[in-house]
Amino acid sequence: EIVLTQSPATLSLSPGERATLSCRASQSVNHYLAWYQQKPGQAPRLVIYDVSNRATGIPARFSGSGSGTDFTLTISSLEPEDFGVYYCQQRSNWRGFGQGTKLEIK
Amino acid sequence: QVQLVQSGAEVKKPGASVKVSCKVAGYTLRDLAMHWVRQAPGKGLEWMGGFDHEDGETNYAQMFQGRVTMTEDTSTDTAYMELSSLRSEDTAVYYCATEGGGWYRIWGQGTMIIVSS
Repeated sequence: EIVLTQSPATLSLSPGERATLSCRASQSVNHYLAWYQQKPGQAPRLVIYDVSNRATGIPARFSGSGSGTDFTLTISSLEPEDFGVYYCQQRSNWRGFGQGTKLEIK
Repeated sequence: QVQLVQSGAEVKKPGASVKVSCKVAGYTLRDLAMHWVRQAPGKGLEWMGGFDHEDGETNYAQMFQGRVTMTEDTSTDTAYMELSSLRSEDTAVYYCATEGGGWYRIWGQGTMIIVSS
């Protein structure tokens, strides 16, 4: 079983600031990694897939990078609608999610 | 535009079973890979299982093996997830989601299942 560990657990930032979220896998997931955003009371929404590809409708301020076991989601300049919980997910071996990073307004 | 419409919330007693439905609108279930993900209150996302087009099999997460069954009725474009021997820890929102290009691009609205005596 591949374990995904996200850090930090909570990230407190102000609009306009840069956000950097991390996801580390217990073994290589190759390029089979995605990021989802979830807001309270809503289903998750795909943000980034295959490490660095933005999903439909996702603005260019979102970017993903990494390889093997270490991955990063970067939001270059936070907008109010970007706050929520972000999960990474792998599909290299079955499926699995990280425990989430809560991005909150400072 | 694919939409997934799930059945409504339920309250179940410990030891009972629950069957959640997920109806596909705007597409054909046969052409989709349906998966199920759950989320306990205040907790993260947990993959339960789903259909894999590569091997044509439905795969279940190890922690649910023996307790979960995922089925499909292609005549009504409806997918089902049945979980048995319910316990309080199964209280959660259950989502169906389809894999597009390998990732969950379309999600149902979620179904709240409460397990309580």
